[in-house]
Amino acid sequence: GAGVSQTPSNKVTEKGKYVELRCDPISGHTALYWYRQSLGQGPEFLIYFQGTGAADDSGLPNDRFFAVRPEGSVSTLKIQRTERGDSAVYLCASSPRSYEQYFGPGTRLTVT
Amino acid sequence: GQNIDQPTEMTATEGAIVQINCTYQTSGFNGLFWYQQHAGEAPTFLSYNVLDGLEEKGRFSSFLSRSKGYSYLLLKELQMKDSASYLCAVTDSNYQLIWGAGTKLIIKP
Repeated sequence: GAGVSQTPSNKVTEKGKYVELRCDPISGHTALYWYRQSLGQGPEFLIYFQGTGAADDSGLPNDRFFAVRPEGSVSTLKIQRTERGDSAVYLCASSPRSYEQYFGPGTRLTVT
Repeated sequence: GQNIDQPTEMTATEGAIVQINCTYQTSGFNGLFWYQQHAGEAPTFLSYNVLDGLEEKGRFSSFLSRSKGYSYLLLKELQMKDSASYLCAVTDSNYQLIWGAGTKLIIKP
């Protein structure tokens, strides 16, 4: 079946611009996670959704970052006033239960 | 604080066996995962341990000792395609995954 998909695969934007990153989880998976990963590092947790609600958003670095999942399926991560330090690969994962997570291919964000 | 430690890089020979260690200090424990990540790709699930002992799955095995805060991933009959980063991650008391930085495994012919 279809796995987790993320769009776009690559995004280059100028400092100060607004970006949206989309994640389509595996159908039926209630849990959805956003991470970001820098080269040579493990994934850094950003936010976790259970259904439509953000169950844990403690990993969002500041108020420029926001994520929604209005219908409990597709999620969008929104970054305002992007900074060069936001450049990373943004990974989305979904899970049918509280453990095994299935990752999407990621969106590589470059802020110039 | 919460911490996951694993070696930064390891090198092994095709056909051999390699053991990648992971030690952790977390607030609570609800399971330990190993993921494989090839360069430029997303992590893929390898194994999950929540009880002490060894879990075997084909050429890969994972061991857990909760009292020691220790796990290892054992890869047998190494193949060139096993060259990748191997990430250790622990689920804490809030069911949040705490990730290590990964071990880059280099396989030489």
